[in-house]
Formats: sequence, C-alpha cells, structure tokens
Amino acid sequence: NAGVTQTPKFQVLKTGQSMTLQCAQDMNHNSMYWYRQDPGMGLRLIYYSASEGTTDKGEVPNGYNVSRLNKREFSLRLESAAPSQTSVYFCASSQFAGASTYEQYFGPGTRLTVT
Amino acid sequence: GQQLNQSPQSMFIQEGEDVSMNCTSSSIFNTWLWYKQDPGEGPVLLIALYKAGELTSNGRLTAQFGITRKDSFLNISASIPSDVGIYFCAGQKYGNKLVFGAGTILRVKS
Repeated sequence: NAGVTQTPKFQVLKTGQSMTLQCAQDMNHNSMYWYRQDPGMGLRLIYYSASEGTTDKGEVPNGYNVSRLNKREFSLRLESAAPSQTSVYFCASSQFAGASTYEQYFGPGTRLTVT
Repeated sequence: GQQLNQSPQSMFIQEGEDVSMNCTSSSIFNTWLWYKQDPGEGPVLLIALYKAGELTSNGRLTAQFGITRKDSFLNISASIPSDVGIYFCAGQKYGNKLVFGAGTILRVKS
C-alpha cells in the first residue's frame, strides 16, 4: 500500500517548455488535489477533483491544466513553464464522504525549477 | 490569499521542553487539521478535529478546536529531536477544500 505516489521527484525546465506531473493513489479515495508550496506561504490549492470525471479550479490555477484520468490518477500539466512556477508540487487525496472526508493524504512532492 | 494566521513562525526547542503553537482566523472553520512536514517530504496528518471545543491527543501531541471555531492549538509535550520540522494547520470551511497556514518551523537549540 504505497499511498500517494508522484513522478518525477525532481525536474528542471527551461522557460516555455511543457511537462506533466503524474500522481496516483491506491487508497480508493474519490477526491484528489494539486498544491504548490512556496517558502513562507504554506500550501496553495491549484486544482482539485472532487470525484472521477470532475475538476475545479483552486486558488492559483493560472498556467496549469489538470486531467483526472481515472479514479486513481490525477495529472497536472504546465503548457508553457515560467520561472514563477518554480515550486514544490504536492498531490493529495481524500475520501469524498464519511467521517474522514476532510483528511487529506499527501505524496512526497515534485521539486520543479524553471530557468 | 492566506486566511489562517499561524504562530509562532519559528521556534527553537530543547529536548524535554513542551511546545505550543496556534492558528487563528477571522472566519469560522468546520474542521481543523494539523500536519507535520519533514525536510524533502510531503505533509503527514497528525490530528483531525471536527467539533468546537474538542480536545484530541496523539501520543505526545494534543490539539484543540477552539470554542469560537476561529482557532486551534497544538501542544507537544516533552519534545524529542525528531519533533523538528514544519507544522501546518489547515481549516475546512466548505466543500472538500482546505486552507493552510504558513507553518511553524521547529528547530533544535544548539
């Protein structure tokens, strides 16, 4: 039981390049999330998927797109990377209903540098 | 923008000391969560609080959901070196989305 996995762990991009960050969970959770973490700012929500087939914008969606491929997988795409997107990206998942609905479980992160 | 104020921003601990940190907001939250993040890792859930006034423990950690629903507190008793890291509070207002504080960095006094 791996929990939430993310690939790659590290990535360096040049400005204007594109890439997709992959996330998968094996906890049969319905909801999945993408966050970015910048120094002194905590975690900010980029996009989330409350359930398979739905996606919604979070607090900082500009410059990103997402795909909920199936119940297990949720990917984040940067179409044209900018230096302002240098950050650590975390994927998380949670149950959709029940007592522990709001408890989110995080992956290990992807450290992205855009030069 | 940031809706949760977490304090202190950072603190130094000596092994054996008790540690306190808190999170406040001008808005009411329905759920409070506390996470810990070790260097190079993702945040790990420590404690979840679901009712105003609730006091919950997890080993040496105790957290409380403030009675006004606008704050939460985390205490660590008898700290040990592996307690260092960043502690985040998170609040849930509506839907499944969480709002995170900026974190409290715990360091060891040398």
